[in-house]
Amino acid sequence: GDSVTQMEGPVTLSEEAFLTINCTYTATGYPSLFWYVQYPGEGLQLLLKATKADDKGSNKGFEATYRKETTSFHLEKGSVQVSDSAVYFCALGDTGRRALTFGSGTRLQVQP
Amino acid sequence: DAGVIQSPRHEVTEMGQEVTLRCKPISGHDYLFWYRQTMMRGLELLIYFNNNVPIDDSGMPEDRFSAKMPNASFSTLKIQPSEPRDSAVYFCASSYSPGLGYTFGSGTRLTVV
Repeated sequence: GDSVTQMEGPVTLSEEAFLTINCTYTATGYPSLFWYVQYPGEGLQLLLKATKADDKGSNKGFEATYRKETTSFHLEKGSVQVSDSAVYFCALGDTGRRALTFGSGTRLQVQP
Repeated sequence: DAGVIQSPRHEVTEMGQEVTLRCKPISGHDYLFWYRQTMMRGLELLIYFNNNVPIDDSGMPEDRFSAKMPNASFSTLKIQPSEPRDSAVYFCASSYSPGLGYTFGSGTRLTVV
């Protein structure tokens, strides 16, 4: 079945550092890929998405590129801020099953 | 739009009691999803509806859990009887096109003592 694997957290960075959170997936067909962010005490918010190979999703300085050859969708940001501290979830959407499959989440802690 | 609205935000109940969680999806969204989040298991899909009809309930843990969607603007998730292992954050999400992502509610934190 479909699955998403994310790097273990927590990831601890200093403000203005470069961020990479790895995400790889297993799926049949051609899924859509998503990154969601969850701030403390809140629900998940869609951060960015890509619907086909080589698409780049971007939002709020975050980027991720859909790499079919490596089945990856790594999240990057050039300069993190304390306000980026949150849990980040990678997810895939299978056209045959409408529900998303989520990774286990990666906690990011940004220190001033 | 007020987004996906869940109630209550917090619920503390005693083991054996019935618990009902509520969700109001975004108007016009045909899909509604219930997820459960725990530290041990992460995010688990419990059930989802399309046009008020349950499509996939394979994630519902056992007969103690039931979900309904009597109309396009309201859904409930009921646990009867509740057990301490049901303690978790329960999220509702809705979408008009799941391939473009969902909108999540703020969740209900359930504690069963």
